[in-house]
Amino acid sequence: GENVEQHPSTLSVQEGDSAVIKCTYSDSASNYFPWYKQELGKRPQLIIDIRSNVGEKKDQRIAVTLNKTAKHFSLHITETQPEDSAVYFCAAKDAGKSTFGDGTTLTVKP
Amino acid sequence: DTAVSQTPKYLVTQMGNDKSIKCEQNLGHDTMYWYKQDSKKFLKIMFSYNNKELIINETVPNRFSPKSPDKAHLNLHINSLELGDSAVYFCASSRGSSNQPQHFGDGTRLSIL
Repeated sequence: GENVEQHPSTLSVQEGDSAVIKCTYSDSASNYFPWYKQELGKRPQLIIDIRSNVGEKKDQRIAVTLNKTAKHFSLHITETQPEDSAVYFCAAKDAGKSTFGDGTTLTVKP
Repeated sequence: DTAVSQTPKYLVTQMGNDKSIKCEQNLGHDTMYWYKQDSKKFLKIMFSYNNKELIINETVPNRFSPKSPDKAHLNLHINSLELGDSAVYFCASSRGSSNQPQHFGDGTRLSIL
């Protein structure tokens, strides 16, 4: 089955700096890669996603890159703000099943 | 007008009891899921239904039994609750079972005394 590894498990940055979270996956059949943000005590919410026919996607301060050959994808957050503090999950999806990474706790210090 | 709603939000009960969690979505999606999030925040899929048919059944004790009366509802019944069942259970839904995002409910926090 699919195995998703996510790094780092914790990340602390200063407000205004950039944050990068990386994920690798094992199943080359995976074709959909969403990122979810989960604030404390809340539900996971989709922030950006990318499909296997695209290499990069950007939405304001958030971007995701995908390297299918190397089987890795990354989340980039620029100009971080305190409200970006949360747990971020990557996932790889194939044939109906999403396998989630173990999460990255991002702390943005004001 | 909550998209994916689960009840109850909190469930505190004793070991050995049987309990149910209900989930409903009004997004018109045809696929629904149950996830377990433990104290370390790991999100693990338990079950998935597509148009009322079970399509994913992970290695979950058979004390857990999902039921989907129609494609807008997916309930979870748990028998003989154990301490290790304490977790937050999230329901989610998506359009189709392939490359579409999942919409999560607010979660049910289950605490076993």
